[in-house]
Amino acid sequence: SQQGEEDPQALSIQEGENATMNCSYKTSINNLQWYRQNSGRGLVHLILIRSNEREKHSGRLRVTLDTSKKSSSLLITASRAADTASYFCATVVGNDYKLSFGAGTTVTVRA
Amino acid sequence: DVKVTQSSRYLVKRTGEKVFLECVQDMDHENMFWYRQDPGLGLRLIYFSYDVKMKEKGDIPEGYSVSREKKERFSLILESASTNQTSMYLCASSLRGQLEETQYFGPGTRLLVL
Repeated sequence: SQQGEEDPQALSIQEGENATMNCSYKTSINNLQWYRQNSGRGLVHLILIRSNEREKHSGRLRVTLDTSKKSSSLLITASRAADTASYFCATVVGNDYKLSFGAGTTVTVRA
Repeated sequence: DVKVTQSSRYLVKRTGEKVFLECVQDMDHENMFWYRQDPGLGLRLIYFSYDVKMKEKGDIPEGYSVSREKKERFSLILESASTNQTSMYLCASSLRGQLEETQYFGPGTRLLVL
């Protein structure tokens, strides 16, 4: 069953603006990961945040995790047309190597 | 770089046909996964495998089976294709041994069942 739920479902922004998307999940996690999927392609791993971390950065990406609220956010700063994609959060629960994905946020960056 | 390849990008089959989707990874990963992706539903796990000849059901295994005869290859089988199996199928692999494992995905196979 799906663990994560992204919000909003879709987001349209101007190039250069920041994009923020959120992920809520239901049960305690070991870590939370964000993936990107360009149209019609496979997913690519972006960033992983452990359950004992609160914030992590990777280039123009910033991820936060609030385990008390069971939520995470992904911020893409200074967006580019190439950031147009769907973004998924995925969680690892317990001692299991399976990932549980949300339905994704579709981001469109307008030139 | 990890490479995960899938045998077909697009596939059209008829109802009742037996369909084989192949996935090969070149990084000696122990874990391999098959997902299907449908609009609004995200990725749902069909089957996964932690080792050769080993398989475990995911969230939606009905109508599917899998085969893992070699470490690098994981096949998804639709025994008798139905129209509700029209979907995007994604294969992924990961290393075993750490919980902080990222999954590496293939490009996907878009299957249309008529």
